[in-house]
Formats: sequence, structure tokens, C-alpha cells
Amino acid sequence: GNSVTQMEGPVTLSEEAFLTINCTYTATGYPSLFWYVQYPGEGLQLLLKATKADDKGSNKGFEATYRKETTSFHLEKGSVQVSDSAVYFCALSPFGSWGKFQFGAGTQVVVTP
Amino acid sequence: DTGVSQDPRHKITKRGQNVTFRCDPISEHNRLYWYRQTLGQGPEFLTYFQNEAQLEKSRLLSDRFSAERPKGSFSTLEIQRTEQGDSAMYLCASSSSGEQETQYFGPGTRLLVL
Repeated sequence: GNSVTQMEGPVTLSEEAFLTINCTYTATGYPSLFWYVQYPGEGLQLLLKATKADDKGSNKGFEATYRKETTSFHLEKGSVQVSDSAVYFCALSPFGSWGKFQFGAGTQVVVTP
Repeated sequence: DTGVSQDPRHKITKRGQNVTFRCDPISEHNRLYWYRQTLGQGPEFLTYFQNEAQLEKSRLLSDRFSAERPKGSFSTLEIQRTEQGDSAMYLCASSSSGEQETQYFGPGTRLLVL
């Protein structure tokens, strides 16, 4: 079946540090890949997505590249801010079965001033 | 575009009671999804609708759970005879026919069963 594995948190960083959150997946075919962010007390917000191999999704300084050869979709940001403190979820949407999103367990990121 | 809305945002109930949650998707989104999220975990798929038709249900959705989308707009999720294990965040999402692979989430309903 489909699955998503992401690095465990919490990840604690100082402001302006470089952030990487690893995400790998298992799926048949060519899923679409997503990063969602959840701020305290709020719902999931779409951060970025990539729908085919080698696509790069980007938003708000975050980037992730769909790597089919390594089945990965790692999230990166060059310089984090305190406001980036949140829980980040990697997810896949299986090709041809768009309804069944599979989420990773989430990675909490804490950015300190 | 007002986004996906859910009501109520919080619900506290006693074990054995029935609860019902409502979700209003983004207007003109034909697909609507329900997920359950427990503390420290990612959301787990429960069910989804295309228009008014319920197309898929997870094995997580026991007989005590029922979801409807009678007119293809808003949806309700009912839990009968609640148990303490039902305590979770219930998330609703919607997607459009032109962007089926991307789901937009509401703020969720947090349920606590005492």
C-alpha cells in the first residue's frame, strides 16, 4: 500500500538557520506530492505541491523537489523565521485515486529568536 | 472564496451520546473529504464524496459513523454512541474537478468524549 515517512521532530532551530525536513514515500504509479503546514489551533494549509517527477514546488521561501529515483520530497527553507514554527506534514495523493490522501506523521518545527 | 468551514469548532460530549458535525466546502468544489487526526499523528482518511455520491469509505469508519452530502454541497458526519476512542480532530477538505489532486482543508472540529 501507499505510505509516507517523514523525519521525527521536534526540530529546533535558531532564526535564519537552514531547515530540511526529510520525506520519503511508497506508492504505485505516479502520485502527486504535497507539503501541508499546521499552525497551533488551526487546520492544514497547503504549502506547496508537485504533480510529476522532477517538478519543484515552492511557496513562501520553502521548496521541495519530486525525486522519483529516491522516492523523496524533502522540504527546505534557506532562512527560517519564528513565524515558521508549526507542524509540517508530507502527503501523497495516489494517481487515479485522488481521494485517498496518505499523510506522514508530521514534523514539529520550533524556531527560536 | 471563503474557504472550507466546519461547525462546531469544538465539541465535548459524554460517552454514549450522538454527535453531528457539519462541513461547508469551497463553493463549486465537487469533492468533499473527511479525515480524523489524533494527537501527534497525521490525518487519516475516512470517506469522500463526489457531488452527493459517497465513493469510498475507510475501514476506520465503523458502523457508528455515517456521513452524508444530500445536495452535493455541505456534508454532515454523525457519530452514534460515542466512545472515548472517538476523541480526535475531525477534518474536512474539498477539491475541484479541475484540480482533483489538491485538497483544501477546513479548521477542523475537535471532539472530546468524556
